[in-house]
Amino acid sequence: EAQVTQNPRYLITVTGKKLTVTCSQNMNHEYMSWYRQDPGLGLRQIYYSMNVEVTDKGDVPEGYKVSRKEKRNFPLILESPSPNQTSLYFCASGTGTDYNEQFFGPGTRLTVL
Amino acid sequence: SQQGEEDPQALSIQEGENATMNCSYKTSINNLQWYRQNSGRGLVHLILIRSNEREKHSGRLRVTLDTSKKSSSLLITASRAADTASYFCATVKYNFNKFYFGSGTKLNVKP
Repeated sequence: EAQVTQNPRYLITVTGKKLTVTCSQNMNHEYMSWYRQDPGLGLRQIYYSMNVEVTDKGDVPEGYKVSRKEKRNFPLILESPSPNQTSLYFCASGTGTDYNEQFFGPGTRLTVL
Repeated sequence: SQQGEEDPQALSIQEGENATMNCSYKTSINNLQWYRQNSGRGLVHLILIRSNEREKHSGRLRVTLDTSKKSSSLLITASRAADTASYFCATVKYNFNKFYFGSGTKLNVKP
């Protein structure tokens, strides 16, 4: 089954404790991206990747890191999480062509205390 | 910001009625996409319309795009209770990489 998986689905942590949210896709997509969703703000793009070792900033990259060492994986790293990073996070993948339909993962609900 | 804005923020209709949602954006785009999100779940792609297209259909969905007004509309005909969800427009610039989502329209279809 074609899918995007994220882990963990739920995470409660404390300020400053480094964490990684993993994302994996099995559709051989070139393009992967991370979004955060906050009430009233819709989805905002954090980082995206056009291919292995190619990443770029979205609209709200501050406080986040990403890496793309393999085509199928695109982890999101919070080196020192803060309460304003409490949010619902989505990973997505797409072909990266002009028909770049996004396939979304199920989401990771992160709470930073 | 290029972020799209949906209108209305919330819409409540009876099953069988049509639902229309609007999206406005600010800068030039390559394409505009509509997505559906059931409560707390990942978004699902519905339909894409390119900047050189004016109207597109997919099943009960009809999307229009007016680039001169920088706006799009999504029409769901003969709505069903299962259509209850939030609907988002996403604009994509010419490099295909950056996506700008609006804050969504929450649709409630009453049985």
